Amino acid sequence: DVKVTQSSRYLVKRTGEKVFLECVQDMDHENMFWYRQDPGLGLRLIYFSYDVKMKEKGDIPEGYSVSREKKERFSLILESASTNQTSMYLCASSLAKGGVGSYNEQFFGPGTRLTVL
Amino acid sequence: AQSVSQHNHHVILSEAASLELGCNYSYGGTVNLFWYVQYPGQHLQLLLKYFSGDPLVKGIKGFEAEFIKSKFSFNLRKPSVQWSDTAEYFCAVSSGGYQKVTFGTGTKLQVIP
Repeated sequence: DVKVTQSSRYLVKRTGEKVFLECVQDMDHENMFWYRQDPGLGLRLIYFSYDVKMKEKGDIPEGYSVSREKKERFSLILESASTNQTSMYLCASSLAKGGVGSYNEQFFGPGTRLTVL
Repeated sequence: AQSVSQHNHHVILSEAASLELGCNYSYGGTVNLFWYVQYPGQHLQLLLKYFSGDPLVKGIKGFEAEFIKSKFSFNLRKPSVQWSDTAEYFCAVSSGGYQKVTFGTGTKLQVIP
């Protein structure tokens, strides 16, 4: 079974703090993703990575950065947390096979509920 | 850019009622379409997907969806819902490389026993 784990289920931080959210997958997937989930807005892609040290901006990258130094680990960084970054953060991974137009199921972690005070 | 619309934000049904959740996407090229489900307190998981071939796809737990290209739709159906189907359902579309997926805003389904 694919397993995607996230470092914390709940996190409370103060405005201005630097926040690290960690995600680890154990199935040797090439692709990894960070989303935020907000009521009424669904899932919005923050960043994704298709290889070690590679990253692509998603739909809402402002205020976030990412790091992928190892294939199994993808970190989301909030350089200076703000109250509007209070949200549920979901990490996902997928296997890359085939080229453009191919698809592989995304496997999700349990999520980290971040509250910024 | 691709986008996904889910028309129903909150649906309440009695057990044994039939279910249809609407999903429309906007992208003119080849698409892959999905429905994901998030049960209370659980991970988001894939319910079913359409990649190519038969436009009527069957997923887990008796769910099915029909891809109608002319209507840009991929509606989710189940003939008879159960209380255990209470969850949030997300439609999603992928049309490019690197498996980037765009999700809809979700539909919360509440099934009353």
